[in-house]
Amino acid sequence: KAGVTQTPRYLIKTRGQQVTLSCSPISGHRSVSWYQQTPGQGLQFLFEYFSETQRNKGNFPGRFSGRQFSNSRSEMNVSTLELGDSALYLCASSLGGNLGNEQFFGPGTRLTVL
Amino acid sequence: QKEVEQNSGPLSVPEGAIASLNCTYSDRGSQSFFWYRQYSGKSPELIMSIYSNGDKEDGRFTAQLNKASQYVSLLIRDSQPSDSATYLCAVNRKGGSYIPTFGRGTSLIVHP
Repeated sequence: KAGVTQTPRYLIKTRGQQVTLSCSPISGHRSVSWYQQTPGQGLQFLFEYFSETQRNKGNFPGRFSGRQFSNSRSEMNVSTLELGDSALYLCASSLGGNLGNEQFFGPGTRLTVL
Repeated sequence: QKEVEQNSGPLSVPEGAIASLNCTYSDRGSQSFFWYRQYSGKSPELIMSIYSNGDKEDGRFTAQLNKASQYVSLLIRDSQPSDSATYLCAVNRKGGSYIPTFGRGTSLIVHP
């Protein structure tokens, strides 16, 4: 089985711009979660989508949004970029059950905001 | 009190030794527990999951869970330099949400 894929792998943007990141989960996985990882804060949960619906949301401002398509692929959008948004953005997929399914991470998108 | 705590390390062990990584959590109702390995510049990779008290073994890795004491540990036997990485503990907290909370990770260095 192919793993989780994320595109693009690297992005450089300037403050005020917006960005869209894409994630394709493992075949058969219906849940996609997004995380932000920085040296200072560690791995922080952004949101989770299951069957095209946002099922869980972390403590991030509304500039961070996402969606999921019928084929379980997901996109994450960040608007009005700030310098502090520079981070590794990770997508993780799982089967989507409610008892703590194992999550499998993609390679991540490294976003640099100048 | 942090929800999931790990010693940041680094934990340095000689090749061939047993590396012991520990994680404590605050929510007594936590239900599922995971260990991930993350190499520098790479994404986390799932090593083990454990759901009930006791030990779970997979190759050189053993996860141990003690819900009464609220800790979960990972033992790596016959440590190899290739095991040098940051190990993240993740805990599924009580409350219906299955999204795990991650610790900050423990850096492990296995020296030849």
